[in-house]
Amino acid sequence: DAKTTQPTSMDCAEGRAANLPCNHSTISGNEYVYWYRQIHSQGPQYIIHGLKNNETNEMASLIITEDRKSSTLILPHATLRDTAVYYCIVEYSSASKIIFGSGTRLSIRP
Amino acid sequence: EPEVTQTPSHQVTQMGQEVILRCVPISNHLYFYWYRQILGQKVEFLVSFYNNEISEKSEIFDDQFSVERPDGSNFTLKIRSTKLEDSAMYFCASSDWVSPRDNEQFFGPGTRLTVL
Repeated sequence: DAKTTQPTSMDCAEGRAANLPCNHSTISGNEYVYWYRQIHSQGPQYIIHGLKNNETNEMASLIITEDRKSSTLILPHATLRDTAVYYCIVEYSSASKIIFGSGTRLSIRP
Repeated sequence: EPEVTQTPSHQVTQMGQEVILRCVPISNHLYFYWYRQILGQKVEFLVSFYNNEISEKSEIFDDQFSVERPDGSNFTLKIRSTKLEDSAMYFCASSDWVSPRDNEQFFGPGTRLTVL
């Protein structure tokens, strides 16, 4: 089962930063935090992942707390196309399956 | 940009019939996966495949399911005798898993299976 806790839904104004929280208090030392999203009726899409340090790529930033018990995904300038379900996933350090939880349904309002 | 492709996009079948869902993973990837998503529910892991054998499978992946990599490019999921409850979106995914740091999985657009 998923080892993360996320809010069921959130909304954000277009053009503003969307901050999606995730709690993973039982994370172990070798587990990465991965974020995926699923736009309606499409396959899940990888966004970003990290172990300890904050990470940034062209899609988003990932902020991981020092104790690694929680993290925040930041979409810096949300657009309507960012409306999706966002999944925070803790994976083992192996080529393992992804266990999807219920995720956070993010709605971007014009 | 390389992508995972799946065919068909929609498959309608009668209960009890066999179906084969096809996937073309990203060419240099070595790990392959099938997931399914019943309408309105979570995405569920079915099976992972590496080096021409199943690495891991879920409870859902019973004897009615099988996977195969018949050639160097295709990865298939076969359901031998479909049931109504097999109606779902089926997603194929692949990864190259260079290291624990690089384990992102790339998903296809899915095949919607409808069992009547």
